[in-house]
Amino acid sequence: DTGVSQDPRHKITKRGQNVTFRCDPISEHNRLYWYRQTLGQGPEFLTYFQNEAQLEKSRLLSDRFSAERPKGSFSTLEIQRTEQGDSAMYLCASSLAGLGVNEKLFFGSGTQLSVL
Amino acid sequence: AQTVTQSQPEMSVQEAETVTLSCTYDTSESDYYLFWYKQPPSRQMILVIRQEAYKQQNATENRFSVNFQKAAKSFSLKISDSQLGDAAMYFCAYRSPSGGSNYKLTFGKGTLLTVNP
Repeated sequence: DTGVSQDPRHKITKRGQNVTFRCDPISEHNRLYWYRQTLGQGPEFLTYFQNEAQLEKSRLLSDRFSAERPKGSFSTLEIQRTEQGDSAMYLCASSLAGLGVNEKLFFGSGTQLSVL
Repeated sequence: AQTVTQSQPEMSVQEAETVTLSCTYDTSESDYYLFWYKQPPSRQMILVIRQEAYKQQNATENRFSVNFQKAAKSFSLKISDSQLGDAAMYFCAYRSPSGGSNYKLTFGKGTLLTVNP
């Protein structure tokens, strides 16, 4: 168990460029979440997968954002035509469903995106 | 929609002393879960303690304990015998069971805790 891994750790891009982040959850975890954390704020929920199915999307996730989890393992989050307001840390988390109150969420260390 | 408020942007404590971080929340639900997460400079969110709203007994985890006041919608975190490694951003979070079985959390803005040697 190596924990939740996110790549890259930092990304600097110019406005208008596309970026893609990757998240590798804990291997047996079937639920995967993306959160966004801006400076001075707590994380905000973006989207959630159970296995390969994307079951919920926040209104924060505009049409420029797309997330996939093609084989129910790793996930990617793509932002098209980046804007300066997209600058934030993007956190991935995973959990194992079916444990009821004992289900725990494990977070990665995030990808810090800076849009110039 | 549920909201979580942390009214203390920053707190400081002397090593070995006790500190209490405040959190209030707003909800119309009767059953829910509350959490405190720690985010050190490494940025990884780490679960500190969890409380189920249907449990009257306050949760404790070693030096960490909560004071859960359901009627007042208050959920404070007490750290006893503070250690230098406790220095971090602390987030209070709410989980609604009514949104399905997923683990979507609503976070407060956080409290930055400094531990002075």
